[in-house]
Amino acid sequence: TQLLEQSPQFLSIQEGENLTVYCNSSSVFSSLQWYRQEPGEGPVLLVTVVTGGEVKKLKRLTFQFGDARKDSSLHITAAQTGDTGLYLCLWNQGGKLIFGQGTELSVKP
Amino acid sequence: DAMVIQNPRYQVTQFGKPVTLSCSQTLNHNVMYWYQQKSSQAPKLLFHYYDKDFNNEADTPDNFQSRRPNTSFCFLDIRSPGLGDAAMYLCATSRGRGGGNEQFFGPGTRLTVL
Repeated sequence: TQLLEQSPQFLSIQEGENLTVYCNSSSVFSSLQWYRQEPGEGPVLLVTVVTGGEVKKLKRLTFQFGDARKDSSLHITAAQTGDTGLYLCLWNQGGKLIFGQGTELSVKP
Repeated sequence: DAMVIQNPRYQVTQFGKPVTLSCSQTLNHNVMYWYQQKSSQAPKLLFHYYDKDFNNEADTPDNFQSRRPNTSFCFLDIRSPGLGDAAMYLCATSRGRGGGNEQFFGPGTRLTVL
């Protein structure tokens, strides 16, 4: 049973389009992290969300944490080719690390 | 710059021939992790060390072992690699194990099994 559902798994869009990636669970997150992994490299932390209803912005990336802390989303505005990569949500449940399935994003020029 | 270093970046081994992957860190973090990642999939945690305390994931095959001789170094030993063990192996560190701790990943070692 997948405790952390991430969708979509694959996304191919044109440069300039917007997109949203979702991460959901039936359990309550104490906190949730989003990572981006570029081809041939290790994942890099983008953001940690902690408070229900929280919204964090990182340039063209907007992260939301659901009020009930059971879901989170990552929205990218006006995607660029440099946004291509694997996006991962990670739930650290008191030392037990649970990744979502990942979203493979391809942004075409 | 403080970082997580993995050597080698690419490793080729033969079916059944033991192989060791290396990870070192200059962050002085307490926790070191080993992950296996297959193409377009999320990393799968194999085990982690909290200081010298070894924590194995329940579904990690016995074929995978690890050593942490000191704070800075951690090794992944694959005793008898099979074709299904071909993957990217990622090492990561964190200051602690709690939810707010950032994981710092190395660039990975891509293992090919012939």
